[in-house]
Amino acid sequence: NAGVTQTPKFQVLKTGQSMTLQCAQDMNHNSMYWYRQDPGMGLRLIYYSASEGTTDKGEVPNGYNVSRLNKREFSLRLESAAPSQTSVYFCASRLTGGENGYTFGSGTRLTVV
Amino acid sequence: GIQVEQSPPDLILQEGANSTLRCNFSDSVNNLQWFHQNPWGQLINLFYIPSGTKQNGRLSATTVATERYSLLYISSSQTTDSGVYFCAVGYSGNTPLVFGKGTRLSVIA
Repeated sequence: NAGVTQTPKFQVLKTGQSMTLQCAQDMNHNSMYWYRQDPGMGLRLIYYSASEGTTDKGEVPNGYNVSRLNKREFSLRLESAAPSQTSVYFCASRLTGGENGYTFGSGTRLTVV
Repeated sequence: GIQVEQSPPDLILQEGANSTLRCNFSDSVNNLQWFHQNPWGQLINLFYIPSGTKQNGRLSATTVATERYSLLYISSSQTTDSGVYFCAVGYSGNTPLVFGKGTRLSVIA
């Protein structure tokens, strides 16, 4: 059981380049989330998808887009990377309802130079 | 939106000591979770505890929803307990979690 898989684990981009962070879960969870973690800031929500076919903005959506490709996959795209987007990105999933906690991927460390 | 404050921000313990971490939140919530981020960055869910008390080995958690706080207790701490502990809350089970800034715990042998 792989849980939540994020790719890539590390990435260096030049300012203005684009890239897509991939996230896939194999737990049949219906909700998926993208967070970014910056030093001293905790985790801040970028976008989330409560169910297949829906996406909503979180606290810090500017500069990002998302796609819920199917129930398993939720991708995050940076169209024109900026140094302010240097961060560690975490994908998480959850089976909503009941006492179900989040399961996180191992993160993607992104540096924009 | 909901504000989540965790204290203390940093904590250094000798191995074997006990500790209490606190999480205060600004609004009524129906979802509260505690996470541990290990030194390699992996986030692990510890408790789903919107109210009441739960225990899992040396860790236990209590949430007093009416007073808007939660406590995480670590007994007989071990070096493997080191890392950052996050509290996260949500209005309901279906709304995304809002995270606090965490408590960084260092357990020294």
